[in-house]
Amino acid sequence: GQNIDQPTEMTATEGAIVQINCTYQTSGFNGLFWYQQHAGEAPTFLSYNVLDGLEEKGRFSSFLSRSKGYSYLLLKELQMKDSASYLCAVREPSGNTPLVFGKGTRLSVIA
Amino acid sequence: GAGVSQSPRYKVAKRGQDVALRCDPISGHVSLFWYQQALGQGPEFLTYFQNEAQLDKSGLPSDRFFAERPEGSVSTLKIQRTQQEDSAVYLCASSLARQGAGQPQHFGDGTRLSIL
Repeated sequence: GQNIDQPTEMTATEGAIVQINCTYQTSGFNGLFWYQQHAGEAPTFLSYNVLDGLEEKGRFSSFLSRSKGYSYLLLKELQMKDSASYLCAVREPSGNTPLVFGKGTRLSVIA
Repeated sequence: GAGVSQSPRYKVAKRGQDVALRCDPISGHVSLFWYQQALGQGPEFLTYFQNEAQLDKSGLPSDRFFAERPEGSVSTLKIQRTQQEDSAVYLCASSLARQGAGQPQHFGDGTRLSIL
């Protein structure tokens, strides 16, 4: 079966750092994606990991451990505009196949 | 803009009516995906095209759901005899088709469907 778990909600303070965790159990693995989704808008691509380790992109970083079925998204220097849902998604093998999404983590950034 | 375009943005229909939702992918993107997103949930896969070929429709919830992409570009998701449980946001995504590459899927803003 497929199971992707992430916390439902998180709150953090403007200027702080927040880590959003994602654990997955899927029948195969061919990459993990993080998306940001503001209410009523399209999910937008943030990061992609297929090998173990940390990928850094500006204020956002994403980490993957395939042996543990675990990823996290790290957001630094939080801004109010970072308040959104963050979606973890796994792609199963065989190329450009559909993504399996978690339920998303709703992040609220407060002053 | 050059993003994925979906129409209509909002659709209200009475139970039992048929609806058609349209997706214009990014130009040159070979792969096209349809997802259904319920309130407070992540997107769930419905169906997938590579060019005009529908490669996977395992996520379609019933035979009332039908999707097509006849010329390998624009796609239409049709729902017949709509029911209240069909109320959701329907998201379309497109991507380049490169085997094994980390090509992200680019999403449209979705169609919010409400069945009364």
